[in-house]
Amino acid sequence: AQSVAQPEDQVNVAEGNPLTVKCTYSVSGNPYLFWYVQYPNRGLQFLLKYITGDNLVKGSYGFEAEFNKSQTSFHLKKPSALVSDSALYFCAVRRPGGSYIPTFGRGTSLIVHP
Amino acid sequence: DTEVTQTPKHLVMGMTNKKSLKCEQHMGHRAMYWYKQKAKKPPELMFVYSYEKLSINESVPSRFSPECPNSSLLNLHLHALQPEDSALYLCASSDPLAGGDEQYFGPGTRLTVT
Repeated sequence: AQSVAQPEDQVNVAEGNPLTVKCTYSVSGNPYLFWYVQYPNRGLQFLLKYITGDNLVKGSYGFEAEFNKSQTSFHLKKPSALVSDSALYFCAVRRPGGSYIPTFGRGTSLIVHP
Repeated sequence: DTEVTQTPKHLVMGMTNKKSLKCEQHMGHRAMYWYKQKAKKPPELMFVYSYEKLSINESVPSRFSPECPNSSLLNLHLHALQPEDSALYLCASSDPLAGGDEQYFGPGTRLTVT
């Protein structure tokens, strides 16, 4: 079985401040981890993924995520938030070697205030 | 071309109507997906086609009927829907030869059942 938890329904941050959106996972073996973003009235867009290698993964739009195996976490980060980053963020996990269908977290709404 | 297109963008239909949603991708991806998404919730997997064959049906009611005419096209035929079927319907594709990995989503069809 595979699952992912996003403990925060909503994250509020001021423009220019660093942001973190949290994600923890549960999967047997080494996970494949993903972050997607969804802007209003749009489909999901892939941001970044961790498969193997460096624990710090860089993605689109200045986002990065840090894989922490001991804490089973994959938090999404950005050094300086923009108002345009306001969107719904989904973490996803899948188990290598199993079905290639990911399991999505419930989503975290990021609101960046001017 | 890394785009998944979906038509129509919006659809309003009565409970006795028959309509179809269409999805197209030209990335050579051999896995295609239909998801249903309610507001501010994660996408719920409905169907998966792998190499044009239906590989996963997540116990979706028979009023939803998927079709994959070729490797680039995916349809979802709708008949006798209920108001609770109103949602954003997302199509996605991925490359199973790359382990599935990230999914590319279309912008979705906003369906309203009256």
